[in-house]
Amino acid sequence: EAGVAQSPRYKIIEKRQSVAFWCNPISGHATLYWYQQILGQGPKLLIQFQNNGVVDDSQLPKDRFSAERLKGVDSTLKIQPAKLEDSAVYLCASSLQEVGTEAFFGQGTRLTVV
Amino acid sequence: KQEVTQIPAALSVPEGENLVLNCSFTDSAIYNLQWFRQDPGKGLTSLLLIQSSQREQTSGRLNASLDKSSGRSTLYIAASQPGDSATYLCAVIDDYKLSFGAGTTVTVRA
Repeated sequence: EAGVAQSPRYKIIEKRQSVAFWCNPISGHATLYWYQQILGQGPKLLIQFQNNGVVDDSQLPKDRFSAERLKGVDSTLKIQPAKLEDSAVYLCASSLQEVGTEAFFGQGTRLTVV
Repeated sequence: KQEVTQIPAALSVPEGENLVLNCSFTDSAIYNLQWFRQDPGKGLTSLLLIQSSQREQTSGRLNASLDKSSGRSTLYIAASQPGDSATYLCAVIDDYKLSFGAGTTVTVRA
């Protein structure tokens, strides 16, 4: 079974530039999560989708971050404009149902903002 | 708001010693708890999922216990090996999301 796919693996941009990350979840998984992991910290939820709909985006900085999930499958996370403090690993995860089932993570995208 | 704490933040043991990793959470109304392993520069690999109705879950050398009433989970790794060196994260699943601790970074010395 193919896992959660993310691209790119690494990205370096200058502050105020824009960047986009892509995620393809495990086939059949209705729930998709984007997490931000700053070095030395645990992952923090940015946004959670259930099929096409947003379940939780309470910690998404909406003035600069946006996310969409196309046809309930792939998802993109965009940052515009980027700040130095956005340097982190962005992790995508998926699970079968919305509550309580095992979550599977991709390899992550390491973003460095200079 | 759920708060998840992992102590210690780092641990170094000689090969062959058993590892004990602790996770505590503030709100006991959880669905499940999941333990992950993270290697440097990599994503999270799921190790064990403990359902709220279970008290423990085992996979090979790994054993995880859950005490919801006291808000604690413990991951035991028997007979540690250098390949077990990694960061171990616990995540509490409540409502619709996973809430993570900061992790315990383990070094197993050969």
